[in-house]
Amino acid sequence: NAGVTQTPKFQVLKTGQSMTLQCAQDMNHNSMYWYRQDPGMGLRLIYYSASEGTTDKGEVPNGYNVSRLNKREFSLRLESAAPSQTSVYFCASSESLQGGNEQFFGPGTRLTVL
Amino acid sequence: GESVGLHLPTLSVQEGDNSIINCAYSNSASDYFIWYKQESGKGPQFIIDIRSNMDKRQGQRVTVLLNKTVKHLSLQIAATQPGDSAVYFCARGGQNFVFGPGTRLSVLP
Repeated sequence: NAGVTQTPKFQVLKTGQSMTLQCAQDMNHNSMYWYRQDPGMGLRLIYYSASEGTTDKGEVPNGYNVSRLNKREFSLRLESAAPSQTSVYFCASSESLQGGNEQFFGPGTRLTVL
Repeated sequence: GESVGLHLPTLSVQEGDNSIINCAYSNSASDYFIWYKQESGKGPQFIIDIRSNMDKRQGQRVTVLLNKTVKHLSLQIAATQPGDSAVYFCARGGQNFVFGPGTRLSVLP
């Protein structure tokens, strides 16, 4: 099993450009998450999907959109990138939202917006 | 609002010594806490978790203690090894995970 995979690993954008970060998991998990991690800080939840067909805002959703394409895939889109969105983005999945379900993380996408 | 924070941003310990990483939380409704380890350039990796109806839980070389009275939890690593060098995060579990800012553990030879 590959676990949680993310593409791309690195990306540089100019202000105003758009892009989609891809995430897939092969653990048959119901719930998936997108986080951002800024230097020297913990992770902040952008959006999550409790199950296929549902998405909800997390702590910092502004400037982002998500799509739960199917049970395996959960994408994050930046419609008009801003320098404040320079960060490392992590996707995660878990069996469900219920407490006690460990989240498994992908390797991250390092995004720089110039 | 709720927060999960750590007492120290960095911690240096001698190889072989025990490490203690502390965390405080503000939301008393939290029922589930998790410790993650993040090595450089990688995503966080689950270490151990504890439910609010427990005071202590042990894993392999790690112990988590939960003090609900003072809203504090700690991660103890026994016989710290160079491979333990990483950033450690405590997090409140549930529908919206809340992560603390992390403590960087450095293991000195």
